[in-house]
Amino acid sequence: DGGITQSPKYLFRKEGQNVTLSCEQNLNHDAMYWYRQDPGQGLRLIYYSQIVNDFQKGDIAEGYSVSREKKESFPLTVTSAQKNPTAFYLCASSGRRSTDTQYFGPGTRLTVL
Amino acid sequence: RKEVEQDPGPFNVPEGATVAFNCTYSNSASQSFFWYRQDCRKEPKLLMSVYSSGNEDGRFTAQLNRASQYISLLIRDSKLSDSATYLCVVTYNFNKFYFGSGTKLNVKP
Repeated sequence: DGGITQSPKYLFRKEGQNVTLSCEQNLNHDAMYWYRQDPGQGLRLIYYSQIVNDFQKGDIAEGYSVSREKKESFPLTVTSAQKNPTAFYLCASSGRRSTDTQYFGPGTRLTVL
Repeated sequence: RKEVEQDPGPFNVPEGATVAFNCTYSNSASQSFFWYRQDCRKEPKLLMSVYSSGNEDGRFTAQLNRASQYISLLIRDSKLSDSATYLCVVTYNFNKFYFGSGTKLNVKP
């Protein structure tokens, strides 16, 4: 089955700890994205990558880091520098054409205690 | 000014009603337009693309008005299962997606 997987679905961490969220896709998409969604709010772009070994900051990159060593994988690290990390994190991917849309993974709900 | 703006609602409608949402976008160079549906605590899922000529998929009709820079979604004969948040999405600058904050729809029996 083609799609995007994120793991884990729920994640609990203590304040001050770094945590890495996984995102894998087998859709052969070039572009991958990380968004954050807070309760009752829209999606905010954290980082995106249009090609392997390249990525750009989105609107709220502070306190986050990413890597794109493989086309299929785009992990997100939430560092201790992120002031309010508790949120719903969504990974997405898309093709290269301007008409291509984004497909989302099921999300990871991170709670920092 | 936000790239994409939507009325957050909620729109509370009875089953069988027709309901319409609008979404405005600020960049006239926007290239592609989509409507997504997001259920509570789930990921957004593509509902339909929006073409210049408009498009229809069953009970759902999407329209694009480039001159006034808005897109619309019309839902006819609303079902309880249509209750969700509807997100408007606009793209430009190749692979850069801009999401509205969503419009919440509650369909009541």
